[in-house]
Parts: sequence; structure tokens; C-alpha cells
Amino acid sequence: DARVTQTPRHKVTEMGQEVTMRCQPILGHNTVFWYRQTMMQGLELLAYFRNRAPLDDSGMPKDRFSAEMPDATLATLKIQPSEPRDSAVYFCALRVLNYGYTFGSGTRLTVV
Amino acid sequence: KQEVTQIPAALSVPEGENLVLNCSFTDSAIYNLQWFRQDPGKGLTSLLLIQSSQREQTSGRLNASLDKSSGRSTLYIAASQPGDSATYLCAVKGMAGYGNKLVFGAGTILRVKS
Repeated sequence: DARVTQTPRHKVTEMGQEVTMRCQPILGHNTVFWYRQTMMQGLELLAYFRNRAPLDDSGMPKDRFSAEMPDATLATLKIQPSEPRDSAVYFCALRVLNYGYTFGSGTRLTVV
Repeated sequence: KQEVTQIPAALSVPEGENLVLNCSFTDSAIYNLQWFRQDPGKGLTSLLLIQSSQREQTSGRLNASLDKSSGRSTLYIAASQPGDSATYLCAVKGMAGYGNKLVFGAGTILRVKS
């Protein structure tokens, strides 16, 4: 979706390495969501932010995952250290008034 | 805890058929329900959003209905085309106070044969 840009589109990394995924929402969208999609679990909410403050990160393994919004145009999701079970597609999403949710194209992460 | 179920899990139909995808949810206290389409290896594309006060929404060949009291929604696709082949996901958003979480169903994989 043109409103949300996610980078990188694909990432292959070795177990134990740090992974950073980026989401760039259009300025003015103040609520950002991170979802993870796997074949086994489907789509799960990891965390979401409003006005750059974390509101709910209960879905995120806090020992290795961290999510931040350094500024109003950028959200990041970091995994350190990464594990094979983290392999999934990670989506960033925005909530748009009267439109519902719009999703980015995702980052496909493979940890070997 | 809200749970969303989609039936069938997969569907294969010949081109031109009308079809119905089903979505059910356990907690009727929803704010809205949204249908998405996902093509292989791609992100989610929003199809229709139904607010809790609405009964249905239409966009082109798509019509989505909502019966909040019974915890059900259907997505009707008229005159299906091969380009409609994708995974269709239903998601519900809880009322204020239950957070902003979208709870997704597992999806229905649709294949339209030419």
C-alpha cells in the first residue's frame, strides 16, 4: 500500500544476528501496528504505538524484540538475537479514520 | 478473548460463479469488521470495512454483510474471475477499552478456475 513503506522486503540472516525492520508511515498517522504472519499462527499483533508511545506490546517476546518510533515518520522493529523461530513475514499497519487498517507490503524474514 | 473463524478454509470454483465466504466471531462487542485480500507473497489489501452500526457494504462485485448479534459476516463475490484468486481474511476490531487490536481469522484460500 502506498501509505506505508517497509524495508527491507526480504532478509536472510544467521541465527544470533541482529535484525532491524523499518516502517515509514505518511506523516500524520499517529497509530502504528506491528503484525507477524506465519503459516501456523496466522496474523498476530506484536505491538502498537500512538503518538510514538508504546500502548500495547504484550504480543512481543520482550527478551529479544524491541519496537520504537524514533520520530513521526519512522517505526522500527528489532530482534536481537534472532532465532530460526522468528522466521515470518512482519507487517506494519496504520489505522486510517473511516478506512480501517492499511498494511505495508511486509518484510519476509528468514533466520537460518 | 475474541476468536475469529473463517469457513471454508479453501474454495475452488469455476469462473463466473457467485460465491460466499463466511466469517464468525465469538464476542459480539465489536467496533468494526474488515475484509482483506492477500495475494501470495504480498501484503494485505483492504476490501471492505463495516462499522458495527452498519449491516452491509458494497464495492463493485463485492458485498459484505454483518450480523453483529449472531457474530457473523459474509463476503459475497459476484461473477467470480481468475483474478479474484487470493486468500481472503476477515478481521474484527474490539470496542474502545478493549484496545485497538485487530483479531484475524485464518483466511479462506480462493481459487477461481478459468
